[in-house]
This record gives sequence, structure tokens and C-alpha cells, in this order.
Amino acid sequence: QVQLVQSGAEVKKPGSSVKVSCKASGGTFSSYGLNWVRQAPGQGLEWMGGIIPMFGSPNYAQNFQGRVTITADESTSTAYMDLTSLTSGDTAIYFCAREFRQLALTGAFDIWGQGTMVIVSS
Amino acid sequence: EIVLTQSPATLSLSPGERATLSCRASQSVNSYLAWFQHKPGQAPRLLIYDASKRATGIPARFSGSGSGTDFTLTISSLEPEDFAVYYCQQCNNWPPGVTFGQGTRLEIK
Repeated sequence: QVQLVQSGAEVKKPGSSVKVSCKASGGTFSSYGLNWVRQAPGQGLEWMGGIIPMFGSPNYAQNFQGRVTITADESTSTAYMDLTSLTSGDTAIYFCAREFRQLALTGAFDIWGQGTMVIVSS
Repeated sequence: EIVLTQSPATLSLSPGERATLSCRASQSVNSYLAWFQHKPGQAPRLLIYDASKRATGIPARFSGSGSGTDFTLTISSLEPEDFAVYYCQQCNNWPPGVTFGQGTRLEIK
């Protein structure tokens, strides 16, 4: 049974950066896409980007281009999401989510991490 | 960018009733249309993928239909645990990307 376990909650100052990790256990890591989705308070779900570890080239949502970096370490089965230039608008729960299909991005995210709360406040 | 519009924003029904949730795309989408259920304090749950295929472990009362620009999630007979927010989502081939609708809140009447 594949599980995704994310790093703990973060409190950051405006203008700083945050890096959230997502460690996979119990299954194949390299051939399944890992994606990042966030939910700001009172808002809906927003896809930030994703990566297939075997390929190593991430795709990013236009809204986050230039501010987000998604990486994956195959040796530790861990994906990372690094978000820079934080503002209060980045206060949200950040989820990692695994694609259902191997070697593809189809949006069918069937396995999710528990979520990481990131609060941006001065 | 494809925009997904869900309706209604809120749906008030009683257990045992049938729920019909709509998702309309701003332009024709490929078959990669999914539906998710989201409850407070939990991760979203994949219900339907490829517009009409039930994900593993999803009860048969959940069904998805549609193609092109109009898609529907139907819950045939509501159970108490079905009251949640539902999101549709589509995936572009190129440029690769994923878009969510704004959500429909299904509440107990």
C-alpha cells in the first residue's frame, strides 16, 4: 500500500521561501507522477505543478512559473516543492498527490499526502 | 487556459435523494476529466477518472458521464458520509497542466 507522508507545518515571513517534502513508501516511486495541489483558506483546489521522477523535468502551472521548483530524489523516494517570494496569499494547505497512471500526467490523483499547513505572516 | 465551471455552487439535499452535479468546460476537453470529494481536514479523494471510470474502492452509487464540454457526477442515493465539497478537474495534453473547477458544496437539507 503506497503512502505519501509530508513534512510538518511551517510559519514563514513574507518574502521568504518554504520547502515542503513528500516521502513515498510501499511502492514504485520513479515512474509515477508526483504533483502538488494547494488549498488556501475558504478557497478551492489549485494545481501547482508535478514531476515524474524518472524523467526529472517538472511541469508548472502558469500562476506559479518562476516562483515554484519541484524536484524528486529517487534515492530517498521523496519529492519536494520549493516556493519563493512568499506573501500572505500563499497561506494554504499544500498537498502532494500521486498520479494513478505510470509515466503520464492525466490528473487522476489517487494517493494523497496528509497535507502541510504553511502560514505566511509577519 | 481551459476554465471549468461547476454548478450549482451549493446543493442542499436529504439522505436517500439523488444528487446531480454539473461541470462545464470553456472548450472541449480530452477524456481526462476527474471528480474528487473533499471533506474538511482530509485529503481529497479521487472518485471518477476518464469522465466515467470509478476509482478503486468507490461505491457504485457514484457515477460520471459526459464528453466534450459537459460533464456530470451523479450520486444515486445519498448517504450521510457523502456530504462534502466536490471538484471536477481536467488535464491538458499540451501544454501539460491540470485545472480544477471551483467546487460544489453538497450539504444536508
